[in-house]
Amino acid sequence: DQQVKQNSPSLSVQEGRISILNCDYTNSMFDYFLWYKKYPAEGPTFLISISSIKDKNEDGRFTVFLNKSAKHLSLHIVPSQPGDSAVYFCAASDNTNAGKSTFGDGTTLTVKP
Amino acid sequence: NAGVTQTPKFQVLKTGQSMTLQCAQDMNHEYMSWYRQDPGMGLRLIHYSVGAGITDQGEVPNGYNVSRSTTEDFPLRLLSAAPSQTSVYFCASRKAGTGAQPQHFGDGTRLSIL
Repeated sequence: DQQVKQNSPSLSVQEGRISILNCDYTNSMFDYFLWYKKYPAEGPTFLISISSIKDKNEDGRFTVFLNKSAKHLSLHIVPSQPGDSAVYFCAASDNTNAGKSTFGDGTTLTVKP
Repeated sequence: NAGVTQTPKFQVLKTGQSMTLQCAQDMNHEYMSWYRQDPGMGLRLIHYSVGAGITDQGEVPNGYNVSRSTTEDFPLRLLSAAPSQTSVYFCASRKAGTGAQPQHFGDGTRLSIL
């Protein structure tokens, strides 16, 4: 049973528009959610996170929204830039398990100039 | 500042061979982990460590062995390589504490088993 799901394998948006990447989870024990960005032939890099006690966290062009009742989070990128083209992974962790992270399968974002 | 360094970057093995994937971090992070990423899939946890001398199994530990004799190093051993272990392997480290601490990843080892 996959505890973290990213149901859209790919997303294509026009430069300057908003990108919305979605993530669903099933384990109510998760208390932190993190987004990572991955370019080809590189390791993932941390982008932004949110605690389960919050519903929004913003960092520049990136905002993450959390809806605990729906067990759903989303990453908004505004405005989208061609350099944002990458694979985005949603990850969740809980403090009961040495903070181990569970990852979704990723969404490939393509931002067209 | 090197961060997390993985060697080798690429490796081709024959079925049944053994090898060690190296991972070193220079950030004095307590936690270290090994993941594998198969095409179209996310990162799956193989083994992890919360400190020197302490290791535990993750989601897909079979066929792999780890040890952690120092804070800096966390090698991953393939005992008898199988084609199903063809994958990209990522090592990661992070500070101890809550799950809010982000993981820092190496650039991966691309492993092919023939």
